[in-house]
Amino acid sequence: QVQLHESGPGVVEPSQTLSLTCSVSGDSISTGDSFWSWIRQPPGKGLEWIGYVHSTGRANYNPSLQSRLLISVDTLTNQFSLKLNSLTAADTAIYYCARVSGGATTPWGQGTLVTVSS
Amino acid sequence: SYELTQPPSLSVSPGQTARITCSGDALSRQYCFWYQQKPGQAPVLMMSKDTERPAGTPERFSGSSSGTTVTLTITGVQAEDEADYYCQSVDIGGTFWMFGGGTKLAVL
Repeated sequence: QVQLHESGPGVVEPSQTLSLTCSVSGDSISTGDSFWSWIRQPPGKGLEWIGYVHSTGRANYNPSLQSRLLISVDTLTNQFSLKLNSLTAADTAIYYCARVSGGATTPWGQGTLVTVSS
Repeated sequence: SYELTQPPSLSVSPGQTARITCSGDALSRQYCFWYQQKPGQAPVLMMSKDTERPAGTPERFSGSSSGTTVTLTITGVQAEDEADYYCQSVDIGGTFWMFGGGTKLAVL
């Protein structure tokens, strides 16, 4: 059974960089048909696709975040990561990592709340 | 920019049928996926590629597609179906993914 788990700081100061890691168990991140995705959800609001990465390192980003975003993959540790810079309060959200296979986003990690605050 | 449009809310009585729509120009050419999210929980895939029910999704959930609108139907709604439902698809070019704004289903 595939499981994903997000880790990272709960609070980040404005203008700083957010770094999150997603640890994958029960499946190899190198599985050719899968993509590995980040999604976020501001408190009380809807879901926003952030971007995804393939095991080859090829990534695709939400155009609204592209200039501040880097998603990378580490096949040795079976993890993938997100770095989002120049944070503002608008980046406060629950951040989810998930696997995408055949277009379907499943399963999802439990999510981690990131608050941008000084 | 491309968008997926969902009704913000829907209320039904137990045992009735709930139909949640998702509209977007690309849906005539791209698949739609549906997710259920209950308070404090991560979203869960409920319907795949417009009409395919993943293992674990109750049979009362079904999907359909017509033109640029995709519909998630819950026949015989139960109290446990009260949740937020999100559709997800990609743009016509298949490059950029997106979610609909979500529909809050209330079972009254």
